[in-house]
Amino acid sequence: GAVVSQHPSRVICKSGTSVKIECRSLDFQATTMFWYRQFPKQSLMLMATSNEGSKATYEQGVEKDKFLINHASLTLSTLTVTSAHPEDSSFYICSAPTGGKETQYFGPGTRLLVL
Amino acid sequence: AQSVTQLGSHVSVSEGALVLLRCNYSSSVPPYLFWYVQYPNQGLQLLLKYTTGATLVKGINGFEAEFKKSETSFHLTKPSAHMSDAAEYFCAVNNAGNMLTFGGGTRLMVKP
Repeated sequence: GAVVSQHPSRVICKSGTSVKIECRSLDFQATTMFWYRQFPKQSLMLMATSNEGSKATYEQGVEKDKFLINHASLTLSTLTVTSAHPEDSSFYICSAPTGGKETQYFGPGTRLLVL
Repeated sequence: AQSVTQLGSHVSVSEGALVLLRCNYSSSVPPYLFWYVQYPNQGLQLLLKYTTGATLVKGINGFEAEFKKSETSFHLTKPSAHMSDAAEYFCAVNNAGNMLTFGGGTRLMVKP
């Protein structure tokens, strides 16, 4: 299957700092990527849809000024958690559709811990 | 709006026993249906998918699922569980712009 990478895999930061998470499609181009958040022992919640060349689309309740998304190229989307607080600690996962577009391939996830 | 319900947040089976993970969905249009597996601290790996055609779908690691429109179900099965099958399993539906809606997940535990 297609390969999606994320960097970093794990990050610890102080409260008030910003953290950037990268999502890359390694062997295909993705005009759209998705960012999810997963709390412990829970399902994935879609945060936003990242669109290459245009603004991201955020799900209801997700603060766009706090979770900045930039889809810089056809293989890279970044999620920046600005002024992070402990409640932002979570597992962040990105995905990208390819092939027939109905199938999404997921990155390995980024574990964020805000102290 | 589409939704996915996974009955049973935890399922425990003995090694070698049948695995059955249940998934029911609601959708206003014919859906695309997926099962993903997640191992601890990892992303999601696609097990199998149904889009069109044959309603019995075979996936990786010996898993299969059957789309039953009349029951709005897409249950995941495996004839014989292995210890390595212990993981979290997610059912998902996609019928609107490639956006996936996930079920709550089922944690499969395999006893020796």
